[in-house]
Amino acid sequence: AQKITQTQPGMFVQEKEAVTLDCTYDTSDQSYGLFWYKQPSSGEMIFLIYQGSYDEQNATEGRYSLNFQKARKSANLVISASQLGDSAMYFCAMREYPGANSKLTFGKGITLSVRP
Amino acid sequence: DTGVSQNPRHKITKRGQNVTFRCDPISEHNRLYWYRQTLGQGPEFLTYFQNEAQLEKSRLLSDRFSAERPKGSFSTLEIQRTEQGDSAMYLCASSPTGAGRTGELFFGEGSRLTVL
Repeated sequence: AQKITQTQPGMFVQEKEAVTLDCTYDTSDQSYGLFWYKQPSSGEMIFLIYQGSYDEQNATEGRYSLNFQKARKSANLVISASQLGDSAMYFCAMREYPGANSKLTFGKGITLSVRP
Repeated sequence: DTGVSQNPRHKITKRGQNVTFRCDPISEHNRLYWYRQTLGQGPEFLTYFQNEAQLEKSRLLSDRFSAERPKGSFSTLEIQRTEQGDSAMYLCASSPTGAGRTGELFFGEGSRLTVL
């Protein structure tokens, strides 16, 4: 079974509007961490936001927030006030042992296009 | 502060040839990771090192692949007898041991391999 599932086709959003990118995950561990990365056309993976499984509040970083629903095993990324520079691939990832620096497992990604 | 550096950025080779990629992590980072990313997919874990020790290898890392980090600083990924299926972006990432509470990976811009 896939650990990280990102099933949305390419997403489009109008500049300055908000957009939600979906991510569901599968783990039997109680302790894990969830990450979102952005990959623009240049290829570099850019870390956006992190959510720990025991965090009581949803993570926020500037225009990025994570809608974490533990019981549903979902960790959706919300981008507010979209900008043209947000056009990129977005990847959800999970580490099943937070703090132990083990590998991240990535989903297949979602392409986001921001329209002017 | 320099980020993760990968060389070469692009490599075109003929099937059957050997290729080697180099990764220079962020200087104070103990852990170094290699991922492979094919078109339209998320990064797939290959292997990681803590200092010079290779701690985990994916089943994706066939006998034709070898990775080293001899002095715990830079790392090399060698692919012997390349096949067309090896065509991909090879991403290197690093992180410090015991990295804060997030433990995110810092990625380089990748080395794109094309096997003709």
